[in-house]
Amino acid sequence: GAVVSQHPSRVICKSGTSVKIECRSLDFQATTMFWYRQFPKQSLMLMATSNEGSKATYEQGVEKDKFLINHASLTLSTLTVTSAHPEDSSFYICSAQGLPRPQYFGPGTRLLVL
Amino acid sequence: GENVEQHPSTLSVQEGDSAVIKCTYSDSASNYFPWYKQELGKGPQLIIDIRSNVGEKKDQRIAVTLNKTAKHFSLHITETQPEDSAVYFCAASNYGQNFVFGPGTRLSVLP
Repeated sequence: GAVVSQHPSRVICKSGTSVKIECRSLDFQATTMFWYRQFPKQSLMLMATSNEGSKATYEQGVEKDKFLINHASLTLSTLTVTSAHPEDSSFYICSAQGLPRPQYFGPGTRLLVL
Repeated sequence: GENVEQHPSTLSVQEGDSAVIKCTYSDSASNYFPWYKQELGKGPQLIIDIRSNVGEKKDQRIAVTLNKTAKHFSLHITETQPEDSAVYFCAASNYGQNFVFGPGTRLSVLP
């Protein structure tokens, strides 16, 4: 299968700071990247969908000014959690897709906001 | 929109037995159905998928069956091993877009 990487794998930050998470498709061009959030023992919650070179589409209830998504190239998307608060602590997972291939997920980033 | 249900939510089997997880979907336009395995602290990994023009697909110990009329598809794992223990997610999509995931099934394979 295809390889998707995420960096960092885990991050601890202070409340009020911003955190950037990178998602890269290593061996294919991803026209679309997805960002998910997962709470313990729960399913994946889609936060936003981003197509290369255009603005991300956010799911209902997800604040676009808080979760900034940039998809500047066919192999890189970034999620920036701005002014992070403890309730933003979660497992963030990206996935990448280049049609007609399926979505391939990254290994996830565990964010802990103190 | 699409709605995907998944059963059971938890499943325990003895090592060597078979495990079956079922998903139902609501949108008849969905035509692509992947299954993902997620181990603790890791991202989901694609393990098998099926398209609507196929009724069954097999890859070694895992297989997926699809009933388009009834709008349900199932994951079958034979000769289960402890390393099969994980959370399994099904999904439904339309031509690889608009993925909707099921809530997941936590499989425990008991030695």
